[in-house]
Amino acid sequence: QQQVKQSPQSLIVQKGGISIINCAYENTAFDYFPWYQQFPGKGPALLIAIRPDVSEKKEGRFTISFNKSAKQFSLHIMDSQPGDSATYFCAASHSGTYKYIFGTGTRLKVLA
Amino acid sequence: NAGVTQTPKFRILKIGQSMTLQCTQDMNHNYMYWYRQDPGMGLKLIYYSVGAGITDKGEVPNGYNVSRSTTEDFPLRLELAAPSQTSVYFCAGNRGLGETQYFGPGTRLLVL
Repeated sequence: QQQVKQSPQSLIVQKGGISIINCAYENTAFDYFPWYQQFPGKGPALLIAIRPDVSEKKEGRFTISFNKSAKQFSLHIMDSQPGDSATYFCAASHSGTYKYIFGTGTRLKVLA
Repeated sequence: NAGVTQTPKFRILKIGQSMTLQCTQDMNHNYMYWYRQDPGMGLKLIYYSVGAGITDKGEVPNGYNVSRSTTEDFPLRLELAAPSQTSVYFCAGNRGLGETQYFGPGTRLLVL
């Protein structure tokens, strides 16, 4: 119940294309869903986050889509750029736990 | 604000040696965490703290120890280094439960 399943493991996208990464969870108590971006040799950095009171959140080229009934959320990167090449982690948490449950990561490569 | 800082950035240890990984934050984080990240893998929780003087084990605590004498500092101690502890270690913190978790830049540790 504490898992967050992330797919795909790796993704190759052409410059200008759309990158889509999916995550699924089981614990309905989760109410905070962040996405982290990690470049090689760096720590994960918060990219965008959503709470379940909205179905979509957009920040620039990055959008989180949230489907509460399906217990799924996804990250969409529009107009993908080579500079977006990084590893992306989804995560889930709630105010009743100290734990942040992380997905296993998706390595994105955007071809120039 | 410096955020979450970690030292050293990189260290090579011989088997059986000990060392302390330092973590300091100036973001008023009540909760602090130590994770390890192995190549191509996600984040595994080693130890966490919910406040000064209070620490507890995560998923993979064996071979490690922590202390939290102040709110700002959360050092991780390796007593008898083993090759299995070769990894990248990240310190993280958040102010409240279910809130954004901020990561340090990481410490790369190689045990030979």
